Amino acid sequence: EVQLVESGGGLVKPGGSLRLSCAASGFTFSSYSMNWVRQAPGKGLEWVSSISGSSNYIYYADSVKGRFTISRDNAKNSLYLQMNSLRAEDTAVYYCATVGARDSSDFWGRGTLVTVSS
Amino acid sequence: DIQMTQSPSSLSASVGDRVTITCRASQTISSYLNWYQQKPGKAPKLLIYAASSLQSGVPSGFSGSGSGTDFTLTISSLQPEDFATYYCQQSYSTPWTFGQGTKVEIK
Repeated sequence: EVQLVESGGGLVKPGGSLRLSCAASGFTFSSYSMNWVRQAPGKGLEWVSSISGSSNYIYYADSVKGRFTISRDNAKNSLYLQMNSLRAEDTAVYYCATVGARDSSDFWGRGTLVTVSS
Repeated sequence: DIQMTQSPSSLSASVGDRVTITCRASQTISSYLNWYQQKPGKAPKLLIYAASSLQSGVPSGFSGSGSGTDFTLTISSLQPEDFATYYCQQSYSTPWTFGQGTKVEIK
């Protein structure tokens, strides 16, 4: 059974940093691209970043480019999102998801809440 | 960026109703269109990928159609567990973008 468990969320001041993790199990992690998708409170879904299985291809939304860094450790079956220079508008639940057919997000974790506030 | 526009933003329906949600892309996306269901406090769930392919384990009452710029999600007979918010998403080009969502409520 595919399992994705996010961690690392919390309360951080504007300008601060946070590192999110996503622990994967139940599938061959290194064979799959992975996404981070976020959802601000009461709002819709926003794609944040994607990384290919071998980390050769990495993409970011313009809203986080230059501030967030996606990475993965296939030996540890883990995905990461390093978030720097955080802003109030980064407040959201952050989900990790596997990339499936036609680049759909086919399996999702439960999410971790990031709150940026002074 | 490709803009995705869903309609309606919300709808009220009864159990057993046929429900149709539309999604329009600001430019052609071939069939790179996915549909998700999200219930309050839960992660999204993939329903349909590539415009019309049913994700494994999803009830056959859900179907998708369309190509190019206009797409449709249909629920043939609304069940109590189908009351949720539905999102379309294009995966034709980055940045992947989502529609604003359609909330399906009980009438």
